[in-house]
Amino acid sequence: DAKTTQPTSMDCAEGRAANLPCNHSTISGNEYVYWYRQIHSQGPQYIIHGLKNNETNEMASLIITEDRKSSTLILPHATLRDTAVYYCIVRVHGGSEKLVFGKGTKLTVNP
Amino acid sequence: DTAVSQTPKYLVTQMGNDKSIKCEQNLGHDTMYWYKQDSKKFLKIMFSYNNKELIINETVPNRFSPKSPDKAHLNLHINSLELGDSAVYFCASSHRSGTGEETQYFGPGTRLLVL
Repeated sequence: DAKTTQPTSMDCAEGRAANLPCNHSTISGNEYVYWYRQIHSQGPQYIIHGLKNNETNEMASLIITEDRKSSTLILPHATLRDTAVYYCIVRVHGGSEKLVFGKGTKLTVNP
Repeated sequence: DTAVSQTPKYLVTQMGNDKSIKCEQNLGHDTMYWYKQDSKKFLKIMFSYNNKELIINETVPNRFSPKSPDKAHLNLHINSLELGDSAVYFCASSHRSGTGEETQYFGPGTRLLVL
C-alpha cells in the first residue's frame, strides 16, 4: 500500500501557481519523497525528490515540512500541458527499489 | 534520443496466444522494471532486475516471464494470454544507489488488448 495521502483532484488557473499537498506521516528518517506525474496515455515522468531540505529544479519546487510528515509540490506557473495525475511517493524502507504508486492527484489546469 | 523505449506500442491479440514486449534503455542504468497499469489506472510493480538478476517479483502469475539478456534490455514474455492481462505495461530503469535516492525513468508504455 502507498504510504502517502493526496487529494483526489485539484484545479488551477493557467499561469498561476499550482500547490499540490501530500501527507506522509509515517515516513522514516532515511526515506525520500519523490514526485512523478503521468500525462494522459504517457509513461510516468520524474519531477523532483527530496529528503529533508526544500528542493527546486527547472520543473518544480518541493517544500518538505520540518517534521517531514507532509510536503507540497509547487508548479510556479502552471500551463495547460501540466494537466496530469501527480503522484507523491515515499520510497519503501528496507532497500526495495520499487515505487509504490497511490491514486495521485488529478490536476486540471484551466485556461 | 529515446532513453527508455518499448516495442510494440500497441498489441492486440487473442486469448490463449503467447506474446512478448521488449524494453531497451540507453541510460547506462543497471536496474530495470516492469509495471502494469490496469483499467482503473492503478500502477503496480511486477518485476525488477538488477544486473540481469531478478530482485523483485510481485506475485505475478507464472505465465509472465521476464528475461534480461543484458543490462540494457528487459523483455516480458506472456504465455496463454487472458482477458485480464489487458492493460498498459510500462518499463522503467534506474541506477541502483542502495541509499533510497534513486530516480526511475519510464518508457512510453505498451497497450495490450486481449480479445
